Amino acid sequence: NAGVTQTPKFQVLKTGQSMTLQCAQDMNHNSMYWYRQDPGMGLRLIYYSASEGTTDKGEVPNGYNVSRLNKREFSLRLESAAPSQTSVYFCASGDWDSGNTIYFGEGSWLTVV
Amino acid sequence: AQSVTQPDIHITVSEGASLELRCNYSYGATPYLFWYVQSPGQGLQLLLKYFSGDTLVQGIKGFEAEFKRSQSSFNLRKPSVHWSDAAEYFCAVGGFGNEKLTFGTGTRLTIIP
Repeated sequence: NAGVTQTPKFQVLKTGQSMTLQCAQDMNHNSMYWYRQDPGMGLRLIYYSASEGTTDKGEVPNGYNVSRLNKREFSLRLESAAPSQTSVYFCASGDWDSGNTIYFGEGSWLTVV
Repeated sequence: AQSVTQPDIHITVSEGASLELRCNYSYGATPYLFWYVQSPGQGLQLLLKYFSGDTLVQGIKGFEAEFKRSQSSFNLRKPSVHWSDAAEYFCAVGGFGNEKLTFGTGTRLTIIP
């Protein structure tokens, strides 16, 4: 029972490089999320997807793009990484309509130098 | 706009002592409220949630929380903490038709022998 799986777990990027964080869930959830976690700031929503083919900006979307490839997968892309994007990124999924909660992946540690 | 305030950044308690972590929220309708726990280097695990009904909610690991609408609070409690409870705790708010969870900045709990 994998739940929410994120890859890679660790990544170091140089400023200006691009990369994609991958996320997949096997719980047949409609909703998927990308959050970032920074010290003293809790978790902040980057992007959200209510269903396949739909995405919506969260609190801190600048510098990121997302793609809801299908119901299972939701990727986060950094087109031109900046040091301010050094953070821990969490993917999550949930099925709100059924009163379900949101389940989180184990996180991806990204450092931009 | 919805928001969550966790006024205590860091709390230290003795093993076996009782615990209360504070959470205040701002939400324009009936809130859905959550407490998550995060161990170092790990993702977030749901402790408990409140959607409706009984305002005293029981969760895993012996935790409970009470929803007080008049005080806009959802404080987390445990009668007797164990060393394994040392972690960071996050309160979050969402609502019906609003799946974008907003998190507080977290409270780090330290347990002393």
